[in-house]
Amino acid sequence: DIVMTQSPDSLAVSLGERATINCKSSQSVLYSSNNKNYLAWYQQKPGQPPKVLIYWASTRESGVPDRFSGSGSGTDFTLTISSLQAEDVAVYYCQQYYTTLMYTFGQGTKLEIK
Amino acid sequence: QVQLQESGPGLVKPSETLSLTCTVSGGSISSYYWNWIRQPAGKGLEWIGRIYTSGSTNYNPSLKSRVTMSVDTSKNQFSLKLTSVTAADTAVYYCARDRIREATNTWFDPWGQGTRVTVSS
Repeated sequence: DIVMTQSPDSLAVSLGERATINCKSSQSVLYSSNNKNYLAWYQQKPGQPPKVLIYWASTRESGVPDRFSGSGSGTDFTLTISSLQAEDVAVYYCQQYYTTLMYTFGQGTKLEIK
Repeated sequence: QVQLQESGPGLVKPSETLSLTCTVSGGSISSYYWNWIRQPAGKGLEWIGRIYTSGSTNYNPSLKSRVTMSVDTSKNQFSLKLTSVTAADTAVYYCARDRIREATNTWFDPWGQGTRVTVSS
């Protein structure tokens, strides 16, 4: 299995400040034939299903505010919220879809307002 | 716009079989992979498995011995059966579609709203 490890587990950031969440995979999720990283980021608010924010590690989903960005390649990835808004309070998950034998998620990072 | 809705019993007795159905509306079930994912209260997400509209499946190895998925294209539905359940199977169960049609590896979108299943006598 590809193990996805997020850091930190929880994070408190002031409104308007930058929030950074990291995700590390136990093996590369970069597919050499197309040079794409098979990594997505989701946001989950209480009582709701996860919502995709970023796919291919850095492609922002349509309708997602541009304060959300994804970066990284291979085994190390980052989700950045450039200027935290109150509505961004949520749990964030990374997910690898590199191997269909076993899709896996990170353990989640809880983002709160400081 | 495709929408997914899970349905099934909210309470299952230990050692019995959990059965859920996901109904797809607003689009065809054909030519996509369809997934089940669960989330125990206050915990993270666990992928259970997926099924293609041809009936081809992939299951989480940790659950494989207890999981069966099926698809009914005439009803635009797919289903999950999980046998010999214990309290550890108590969770919110989501159905979700692979994002890209006829692709083998994509992220999940859209998702159903989820259905809470409790395993208790």
